[in-house]
Amino acid sequence: AQSVAQPEDQVNVAEGNPLTVKCTYSVSGNPYLFWYVQYPNRGLQFLLKYITGDNLVKGSYGFEAEFNKSQTSFHLKKPSALVSDSALYFCAVRLSAGNNRKLIWGLGTSLAVNP
Amino acid sequence: DGGITQSPKYLFRKEGQNVTLSCEQNLNHDAMYWYRQDPGQGLRLIYYSQIVNDFQKGDIAEGYSVSREKKESFPLTVTSAQKNPTAFYLCASSPRDRGSSSYGYTFGSGTRLTVV
Repeated sequence: AQSVAQPEDQVNVAEGNPLTVKCTYSVSGNPYLFWYVQYPNRGLQFLLKYITGDNLVKGSYGFEAEFNKSQTSFHLKKPSALVSDSALYFCAVRLSAGNNRKLIWGLGTSLAVNP
Repeated sequence: DGGITQSPKYLFRKEGQNVTLSCEQNLNHDAMYWYRQDPGQGLRLIYYSQIVNDFQKGDIAEGYSVSREKKESFPLTVTSAQKNPTAFYLCASSPRDRGSSSYGYTFGSGTRLTVV
């Protein structure tokens, strides 16, 4: 069965320090991978996606993610965290082939950036 | 500007009432989705529709109903059969895939439903 895991419910980091939010996946085939961010009482906003090509993907707000096929991971990173990055982050995956466009979602990781 | 509009932003329901949450998109997207979000449980799929006049149950469809009479609209009705409806509801849409490209979802701002 396809699944996505975000092993940390919460990540705390000091402002200015690098941050990593982890995501691993399990799919039978080539994946499309996504990161979204959610601010309180708002919908989810697209950050970045991996489709094919370069394993390092750059996205919005200075975020990037590295696709690692051997470890089936797609960790979200940022070199220097801002207090305004504090939010809920979701990783999602779907298969690259087939008509089913449903995304499979992780449970989310709450990021707290402390001043 | 193109986007998805959910209304109302806040909704209060009395016990035994049906309520309908609105979701409208002007992105010309084929597929639309309804999710329920509860603290610590991530996003749970209620219903989805890949084309007009067709929809499928998601993981937690019991107590909910939908319609897709127009491409732009995908309203969700929370019926009295849904015993614990208090939650944050999110609507999303996505376009048809073309070739090897792929798209994620565009989300609305959500509706917070509270039973009073």
